[in-house]
Amino acid sequence: GAVVSQHPSRVICKSGTSVKIECRSLDFQATTMFWYRQFPKQSLMLMATSNEGSKATYEQGVEKDKFLINHASLTLSTLTVTSAHPEDSSFYICSAGVVSEQYFGPGTRLTVT
Amino acid sequence: SQELEQSPQSLIVQEGKNLTINCTSSKTLYGLYWYKQKYGEGLIFLMMLQKGGEEKSHEKITAKLDEKKQQSSLHITASQPSHAGIYLCGADGNDYKLSFGAGTTVTVRA
Repeated sequence: GAVVSQHPSRVICKSGTSVKIECRSLDFQATTMFWYRQFPKQSLMLMATSNEGSKATYEQGVEKDKFLINHASLTLSTLTVTSAHPEDSSFYICSAGVVSEQYFGPGTRLTVT
Repeated sequence: SQELEQSPQSLIVQEGKNLTINCTSSKTLYGLYWYKQKYGEGLIFLMMLQKGGEEKSHEKITAKLDEKKQQSSLHITASQPSHAGIYLCGADGNDYKLSFGAGTTVTVRA
């Protein structure tokens, strides 16, 4: 099946700094990628839909200026958490493809100290 | 947005025993997806159900969709340690996005 990678798998940063997370589709082109956030023992919450060549669509309640999404190519989408705070600590997962055929990355554990 | 309620939240089963997980949607289901996740990892696709009454099986895992009840069930027969993990249901609300349930944590005891 199709493979989606994420980098880094884990990152620790200090409060106030920015962190970039990459999501790559390794063997297929993805015009659409999704970014999710997952808190311990909770569901995946869709943050935004990343569309290649256009602006991302953010879900209600997600600050677009804080969570910058760039989908510059058909195989790469990046999520930048700007001015990170401890409450941004979470597990971030991306997926690529369409709803009926969505492939998930392994996730990135972000810890903000 | 579509809300999915999964039950139970967690369960412990003896190896070799059967188990069932339920997923109930607050809205019409246009597609129901089952995934498995190990803690701290990504999601592994298990099955997709689209039609009312549809039932799919893969190895010892069977999923059914009751469209009228807006509900799906996942049944594992003769559970094994490899079945341990978090099972998530996801639903397509006909808006090109997936909503997920909170997950059911399955522990299989030898």
